[in-house]
Amino acid sequence: NAGVTQTPKFRVLKTGQSMTLLCAQDMNHEYMYWYRQDPGMGLRLIHYSVGEGTTAKGEVPDGYNVSRLKKQNFLLGLESAAPSQTSVYFCASSYSTSGGLGQETQYFGPGTRLLVL
Amino acid sequence: SQQGEEDPQALSIQEGENATMNCSYKTSINNLQWYRQNSGRGLVHLILIRSNEREKHSGRLRVTLDTSKKSSSLLITASRAADTASYFCATASGGYNKLIFGAGTRLAVHP
Repeated sequence: NAGVTQTPKFRVLKTGQSMTLLCAQDMNHEYMYWYRQDPGMGLRLIHYSVGEGTTAKGEVPDGYNVSRLKKQNFLLGLESAAPSQTSVYFCASSYSTSGGLGQETQYFGPGTRLLVL
Repeated sequence: SQQGEEDPQALSIQEGENATMNCSYKTSINNLQWYRQNSGRGLVHLILIRSNEREKHSGRLRVTLDTSKKSSSLLITASRAADTASYFCATASGGYNKLIFGAGTRLAVHP
């Protein structure tokens, strides 16, 4: 099992450009999440999905859009990149809560470093 | 806003010593989790403690939870150089396993 994978690993954008980050998981998890991590801070939730075709806003959703067309994939889009979106982006997945106790932990991808100039 | 706050922000110890990290949070929780992040890598889950539990062990890790003080501590015993990493507490209080992370403690273990 590859677990959670993210592409690309690193990207440089100019202000105003758009891009999509791809997250894929092969654990058949219902829930998926996108976080950003900035220096000296913990992870902050951008958007999350509780199943195929569903998405919801997290703590810092502005400037981002997401889609979950397939259960195994969760895409994060930046329509018009800004320097404030320079960050490391992490995707994570977990089992649904209906799976019972012991299913609450999240599994993380290796991250995507994004630099917006 | 972040739910958890870790203390200290950075910790430097020698191999073989114990490392203690503390986490405080603001609202009631379902569970509290600790994750480790090696430099430049993703987070790895270490241990989960539920709101009705007070202490939990996993190998060299010991976690305590005091819901009356809204605080938790992570103890790593007999530390090794390989334990060098950042450690984050994360609280789950809403549905869908959503987590709110603290800013983390950077642990350096010197050989």
